[in-house]
Amino acid sequence: KQEVTQIPAALSVPEGENLVLNCSFTDSAIYNLQWFRQDPGKGLTSLLLIQSSQREQTSGRLNASLDKSSGRSTLYIAASQPGDSATYLCAVRSGNTGKLIFGQGTTLQVKP
Amino acid sequence: DAGVIQSPRHEVTEMGQEVTLRCKPISGHNSLFWYRQTMMRGLELLIYFNNNVPIDDSGMPEDRFSAKMPNASFSTLKIQPSEPRDSAVYFCASTLRAGGPRDTQYFGPGTRLTVL
Repeated sequence: KQEVTQIPAALSVPEGENLVLNCSFTDSAIYNLQWFRQDPGKGLTSLLLIQSSQREQTSGRLNASLDKSSGRSTLYIAASQPGDSATYLCAVRSGNTGKLIFGQGTTLQVKP
Repeated sequence: DAGVIQSPRHEVTEMGQEVTLRCKPISGHNSLFWYRQTMMRGLELLIYFNNNVPIDDSGMPEDRFSAKMPNASFSTLKIQPSEPRDSAVYFCASTLRAGGPRDTQYFGPGTRLTVL
């Protein structure tokens, strides 16, 4: 059974700092992996999607990497801003169905 | 597009009452998902539909929970009877086609359910 873990559960950094969020999964036979952002009281917004054959994806200040063999993904946020404060969740899709398995999320606070 | 629409946004009810949550997916999307989010268990998939047909309901916790999708633009999640442990935020999400190579799910704002 696939399990997804995110560490740390919470993170607080000063504005401008570069940071890394971690995601690990137990079954390396994944179809793809996604990173989502969730603002308080809101739904989830997809940030990046990495196919199993890819090593990384970039969007603006965000870079997500994937190492299937070790069951790990990282989300790198460059030059963090207070607007980046949110909960970040990673989700793994293990087959060609739409079923996603989510981690518990990392709550990020960027202080001005 | 207005995105995925959920109603109500907040629901407070008493134990034993029936609760119905509603979802309107993005127009043209063929797959719809119902999730539940709690502090203890995180975000869990309850059920999903392809072309209005339930595909995987293995996450539905008990027979008290039921979901329907009578047409491509509307789905309901019903809890009868409700219990305090059902208190959670329930999300609906839709995507063009579940299982597609670049399948990205678009989430609604959620319904916060409190069962007293």
